[in-house]
Amino acid sequence: GQNIDQPTEMTATEGAIVQINCTYQTSGFNGLFWYQQHAGEAPTFLSYNVLDGLEEKGRFSSFLSRSKGYSYLLLKELQMKDSASYLCAAPNRDDKIIFGKGTRLHILP
Amino acid sequence: NAGVTQTPKFQVLKTGQSMTLQCAQDMNHEYMSWYRQDPGMGLRLIHYSVGAGITDQGEVPNGYNVSRSTTEDFPLRLLSAAPSQTSVYFCASRRRLAGVSYNEQFFGPGTRLTVL
Repeated sequence: GQNIDQPTEMTATEGAIVQINCTYQTSGFNGLFWYQQHAGEAPTFLSYNVLDGLEEKGRFSSFLSRSKGYSYLLLKELQMKDSASYLCAAPNRDDKIIFGKGTRLHILP
Repeated sequence: NAGVTQTPKFQVLKTGQSMTLQCAQDMNHEYMSWYRQDPGMGLRLIHYSVGAGITDQGEVPNGYNVSRSTTEDFPLRLLSAAPSQTSVYFCASRRRLAGVSYNEQFFGPGTRLTVL
């Protein structure tokens, strides 16, 4: 089976750093995705990790530890526009991409 | 490229009515998927296709049918709508995953369906 867990909601302050965690259990690992979804819009791709370690893309970084079944998304220099839901997702053994329930991030001025 | 397109954007149905949600992509992607999104439930996979003529069930397939006669199109059919099918429906497409290279999944804008 497959199980993906992430916190339901988080709150952070503009200009700060926030880390959104994701733990997963999959029947066959083939990478982990992070998506951003603003209210009323479709999800958009942020990152894909298949090897252990940290990948940085501007203000966003994503980390993966395959041995621990753990990933996190790190957002630096938070801006109000970063208020959104962040979705962790992974393909299962049939190559179907399964999503966690998402973390709603609130940014306070 | 238009990417992934979905029609209609909004729809209201009465219980028992049938309808088809349309999805098309112009990126020549092999894989296409339908998801539904409900508050507090995240995105749940309904049906899935890895190419023309091939479909498979996802996590929540009951009450929905799909077909994939062309690479571009992947319609989702509700045969007899129920209030429990009130949701936002997203269609997505991507290339097949290949090793360490990422294969971004592109989403359509969504269809907001209400079943009364």
